[in-house]
Amino acid sequence: DTGVSQDPRHKITKRGQNVTFRCDPISEHNRLYWYRQTLGQGPEFLTYFQNEAQLEKSRLLSDRFSAERPKGSFSTLEIQRTEQGDSAMYLCASSPPYDEAFFGQGTRLTVV
Amino acid sequence: DAKTTQPPSMDCAEGRAANLPCNHSTISGNEYVYWYRQIHSQGPQYIIHGLKNNETNEMASLIITEDRKSSTLILPHATLRDTAVYYCIVRVEYNQGGKLIFGQGTELSVKP
Repeated sequence: DTGVSQDPRHKITKRGQNVTFRCDPISEHNRLYWYRQTLGQGPEFLTYFQNEAQLEKSRLLSDRFSAERPKGSFSTLEIQRTEQGDSAMYLCASSPPYDEAFFGQGTRLTVV
Repeated sequence: DAKTTQPPSMDCAEGRAANLPCNHSTISGNEYVYWYRQIHSQGPQYIIHGLKNNETNEMASLIITEDRKSSTLILPHATLRDTAVYYCIVRVEYNQGGKLIFGQGTELSVKP
């Protein structure tokens, strides 16, 4: 088991384009979380899955954002019509129930 | 909102113990204290967690006051590689999917 894997590690996109990030959690971790982190700030919670069910979404997750976890394994986070304010590190974490969460290395998005 | 207060920055000499304080005066009985750290450009890394009793693992010790309103993370022999932002987090295990709400953290600089 190699830990939580995120792809790509870096993404540069033009404003208005759509982007999709992938997260592969640690196998058999049924909880999966997405966070966003801007420079100098702590990670901010975006959304949470238990198996394939998306159980909570932060108000930070605007209509342009959508996350899926179709088979309860990997997850994708899509941002439509990107804006410069979307530039951030997007972090994924996974955990078993009632245990510590393990984070991936993140995807750094730059919108130009 | 984060339920913890930490000093924004601290310095520590290499080889000495680093003691990082955290206030969580509004903690509830079923909430755990978690510590994570984040080295520049990496995802947060789990360090330790506790409920009431002091805890120790291979990375650190966690001292929780009897009233549970504050705690201290101790790195017994700090090295240059311990330079990072340290986050103290109050986490509800049984509600809210165990999501972590990060604050600003303490930026620890270990100096030679």
